[in-house]
Amino acid sequence: DTGVSQDPRHKITKRGQNVTFRCDPISEHNRLYWYRQTLGQGPEFLTYFQNEAQLEKSRLLSDRFSAERPKGSFSTLEIQRTEQGDSAMYLCASSGGIREGTEAFFGQGTRLTVV
Amino acid sequence: GNSVTQMEGPVTLSEEAFLTINCTYTATGYPSLFWYVQYPGEGLQLLLKATKADDKGSNKGFEATYRKETTSFHLEKGSVQVSDSAVYFCALTASSNTGKLIFGQGTTLQVKP
Repeated sequence: DTGVSQDPRHKITKRGQNVTFRCDPISEHNRLYWYRQTLGQGPEFLTYFQNEAQLEKSRLLSDRFSAERPKGSFSTLEIQRTEQGDSAMYLCASSGGIREGTEAFFGQGTRLTVV
Repeated sequence: GNSVTQMEGPVTLSEEAFLTINCTYTATGYPSLFWYVQYPGEGLQLLLKATKADDKGSNKGFEATYRKETTSFHLEKGSVQVSDSAVYFCALTASSNTGKLIFGQGTTLQVKP
């Protein structure tokens, strides 16, 4: 296993279109996170899965955003009716433990540009 | 709410200079603290961490000490190299145990030969 994989790496879409991103976590990890990072800022938490259950969603996650993790393996993040403000880097991370300080491993991200 | 504040960058240093990047936090309970690094064109990587007060995290010559009394976790390195040029993020996880990370805004470090 080579780490957390995200696909695609880059996506350019027209405003109003729907987009879907995929994340493949490290295989034995039961926790999966999505973050959004805009230029010059740190990543902001969007949502968290433990196995297939979505246990927390940020208030940043509007109704146009939906995430799934069927069977507790890969995850998808869909953005409907994209807006220019959705342009950002979308990061996925996974971790395998519940102890305090367990490391989260990040993918390289999907850069979304809405034109 | 929980938050992390980092010193603004960019920080530009000559090779072999001493590095400090300040980080302070606000949190309820007893958070774990982290420094992540993002090299150009790469994903975020954990650099070091500390899970309780007075713990010192260290890796690759970098160190940071969890100071509860000053709510700080400053990153230091005695002698930087050109290869240390990257963006550094301070982060915390709250004691709710979801593992959700709260990041600072990042500090860009540029090391010149």
